[in-house]
Amino acid sequence: AQKVTQAQTEISVVEKEDVTLDCVYETRDTTYYLFWYKQPPSGELVFLIRRNSFDEQNEISGRYSWNFQKSTSSFNFTITASQVVDSAVYFCALSEAFTGGGNKLTFGTGTQLKVEL
Amino acid sequence: KAGVTQTPRYLIKTRGQQVTLSCSPISGHRSVSWYQQTPGQGLQFLFEYFSETQRNKGNFPGRFSGRQFSNSRSEMNVSTLELGDSALYLCASSLESSGIYNEQFFGPGTRLTVL
Repeated sequence: AQKVTQAQTEISVVEKEDVTLDCVYETRDTTYYLFWYKQPPSGELVFLIRRNSFDEQNEISGRYSWNFQKSTSSFNFTITASQVVDSAVYFCALSEAFTGGGNKLTFGTGTQLKVEL
Repeated sequence: KAGVTQTPRYLIKTRGQQVTLSCSPISGHRSVSWYQQTPGQGLQFLFEYFSETQRNKGNFPGRFSGRQFSNSRSEMNVSTLELGDSALYLCASSLESSGIYNEQFFGPGTRLTVL
């Protein structure tokens, strides 16, 4: 069975600090996709990034960067120079395909990030 | 293009009642998935509908059901509500295509409170 572990339940930082959110996953599939979503208090899941299992290149998007390492089954997310608006719950997720078509997302338990002034 | 919409946004019911939640996918998307989010269990997959048929199902009791209409809109129903059904119910739509991955776009959710 697939599993996603986000060991950090809550992280508090002061604005402008860098912060890394950890994600470790388990799967027996050789082809899979990993995701990060942001969930602000409004509740909607906001897509941040998708990475497939064949692409281990790190990615940077503005203040966000992601480090994917298949050898350690990790897909960590770093926010550089954090801002108050980054305060939210962040979910790491793994996509599992069904034999008959379609797929589902297996989510980690989320990391609550609080950025204070 | 309009995003995924869910109605109602908030709902309060009492134990034993039933409830119906609605989801309108992004235009052109034919797959609709439902997820339940609770503080204790986190985000869990309920089921997925495609072409008016339930294609995949998570580990939830039969009290949870759904359907999809010809325009891809979907409803989920929970009968005989229990306190533990209080949750945020999220709907996600995706464009059906070949291959392992179909990106899911989430709606704002319906927050159900069972008293």
